Amino acid sequence: QKEVEQNSGPLSVPEGAIASLNCTYSDRGSQSFFWYRQYSGKSPELIMSIYSNGDKEDGRFTAQLNKASQYVSLLIRDSQPSDSATYLCAVNGAAGNKLTFGGGTRVLVKP
Amino acid sequence: EAQVTQNPRYLITVTGKKLTVTCSQNMNHEYMSWYRQDPGLGLRQIYYSMNVEVTDKGDVPEGYKVSRKEKRNFPLILESPSPNQTSLYFCASSLSGLETQYFGPGTRLLVL
Repeated sequence: QKEVEQNSGPLSVPEGAIASLNCTYSDRGSQSFFWYRQYSGKSPELIMSIYSNGDKEDGRFTAQLNKASQYVSLLIRDSQPSDSATYLCAVNGAAGNKLTFGGGTRVLVKP
Repeated sequence: EAQVTQNPRYLITVTGKKLTVTCSQNMNHEYMSWYRQDPGLGLRQIYYSMNVEVTDKGDVPEGYKVSRKEKRNFPLILESPSPNQTSLYFCASSLSGLETQYFGPGTRLLVL
């Protein structure tokens, strides 16, 4: 079992719709959680970080964390074609020194 | 401008010829890390450093070396590159191991 799992997609959503991405992780002691966006051939850039259970909103993005169920999700509201990218879930383990990435979910927003 | 820089951005080399990829950050970050990214395998951590003179192995350290003599620099050394080290490499840094990591632009390496 991979330490951090994501559906590889592609997740195809119409422009203006909500894109919902999920991520599960295996290390129950994990302390910090991140969503990165990566365009093809470019470096990952941070979308959201979340450290405690519940929801965290930033503009059109909402991250949700449920440590009991060991999952973290990302909602993208009012999806735009510029949101088409691969979204990487990253989880920092209990020791706080190693960031493990999921394989990424490719999102395609169709005009 | 706060940033992580890597050099070179592109490199073609031959098997066995030692090479170094430099990484530098200007944010006074304690933590630095190297990743490689391969199709179907995602981003995997090679080495990381919690502070100056403190380094440790990540998930795929074989064939790589690192050093952290200064806080701002974290070079990645391939003593004897092999074709299976052809990949896209990213350096990243953060305030601490728990904080957001900021990535450099990447180095695309081809080993023939």
